[in-house]
Amino acid sequence: NAGVTQTPKFRILKIGQSMTLQCTQDMNHNYMYWYRQDPGMGLKLIYYSVGAGITDKGEVPNGYNVSRSTTEDFPLRLELAAPSQTSVYFCASSYGIVAGGADTQYFGPGTRLTVL
Amino acid sequence: AQSVTQPDIHITVSEGASLELRCNYSYGATPYLFWYVQSPGQGLQLLLKYFSGDTLVQGIKGFEAEFKRSQSSFNLRKPSVHWSDAAEYFCAVGDSNDYKLSFGAGTTVTVRA
Repeated sequence: NAGVTQTPKFRILKIGQSMTLQCTQDMNHNYMYWYRQDPGMGLKLIYYSVGAGITDKGEVPNGYNVSRSTTEDFPLRLELAAPSQTSVYFCASSYGIVAGGADTQYFGPGTRLTVL
Repeated sequence: AQSVTQPDIHITVSEGASLELRCNYSYGATPYLFWYVQSPGQGLQLLLKYFSGDTLVQGIKGFEAEFKRSQSSFNLRKPSVHWSDAAEYFCAVGDSNDYKLSFGAGTTVTVRA
């Protein structure tokens, strides 16, 4: 199993550009999550999904969009990139037997995004 | 709302010495508690978790953590640190009624020879 994979590893965007961060898991997990990690702030939940076709906002959803058309994939879309979106983005997944707050989450290696 | 505090931003420890990382949480009921480790350039890996039962939890890589309800703490310990333990450590709290994990700000551990 590859686990959770993310692409790209690094990206530099100009203000106003858009991009999609890719996330794929091969563990047949129902739940998937997007977090951003800022220095000294821990991880903040952006969006999550409990299954294909079902998504919901986390703590910091503004400026982002997601979709979940398959169990495996959970892309994160940034529209009109802003410097405040400079961060490291982590995708995670969990089985979904229990709610995500009680479940072990498996993380990808992250995407480091810089918006200039 | 649940929250997690990791009081120590950075800890330096000598190889072979013991390590303790502090974690305090705020939550009304019995929480689900986790410790994750992030090596440089890597994603987060679960070290251990506490749901219920025995308050002393054993994890991978020789780590253990103790849940103390009276102190709202879930401190992580390792008796003898190896150079490969240099990483950032995150404590997290969750709720079986929610999909969110709340993470602490993290503690960076440096291991000196």
